[in-house]
Amino acid sequence: GQNIDQPTEMTATEGAIVQINCTYQTSGFNGLFWYQQHAGEAPTFLSYNVLDGLEEKGRFSSFLSRSKGYSYLLLKELQMKDSASYLCAAMDSNYQLIWGAGTKLIIKP
Amino acid sequence: GAVVSQHPSRVICKSGTSVKIECRSLDFQATTMFWYRQFPKQSLMLMATSNEGSKATYEQGVEKDKFLINHASLTLSTLTVTSAHPEDSSFYICSARASLVDGSMKETQYFGPGTRLLVL
Repeated sequence: GQNIDQPTEMTATEGAIVQINCTYQTSGFNGLFWYQQHAGEAPTFLSYNVLDGLEEKGRFSSFLSRSKGYSYLLLKELQMKDSASYLCAAMDSNYQLIWGAGTKLIIKP
Repeated sequence: GAVVSQHPSRVICKSGTSVKIECRSLDFQATTMFWYRQFPKQSLMLMATSNEGSKATYEQGVEKDKFLINHASLTLSTLTVTSAHPEDSSFYICSARASLVDGSMKETQYFGPGTRLLVL
């Protein structure tokens, strides 16, 4: 079956670095998405990876290893506003999204 | 874990026809369901929020007469795109919010796989 796993909750300190991991199993693969969702708001697009490697975008970076079915989202210089849920979603061969349950990131001063 | 399904997964229709998309929570009751529209590599745009047994709440700029939402039961919400036009072609995603009562309230939002609509 198709499956996405990511940690339920993580805690980090303001100014630090945190890595949120995501593993996936899908029927075919057409890319992996990361979204940020603040409570009560719609998910905001962060990144899309379809090739192996690291893509950096400001304080956020996303990594993909297709052979391992693994991705991570790296957040640097954490700010209090980064407290949110981070959703990992893989797109299968039918261009359907398989969603992780989300990782709630708590930032402490 | 909780599963949300959408049907159909993809649909192609002629301009002027209506298309119904179903969103079901398969193993939990969802008092609230959300409908989103996604453009390639962009954020999900919330279209409307539907609560079981009541009228949907539409976001600004979304035509409620064009995008009809019915949340008839705790496990089913439908989005009907009426008189579809090519500009309605998009990826429509629903999500369902589960309210688990086990001494305290825990709310989690689960997303469906999406429905790809192409209007010719």
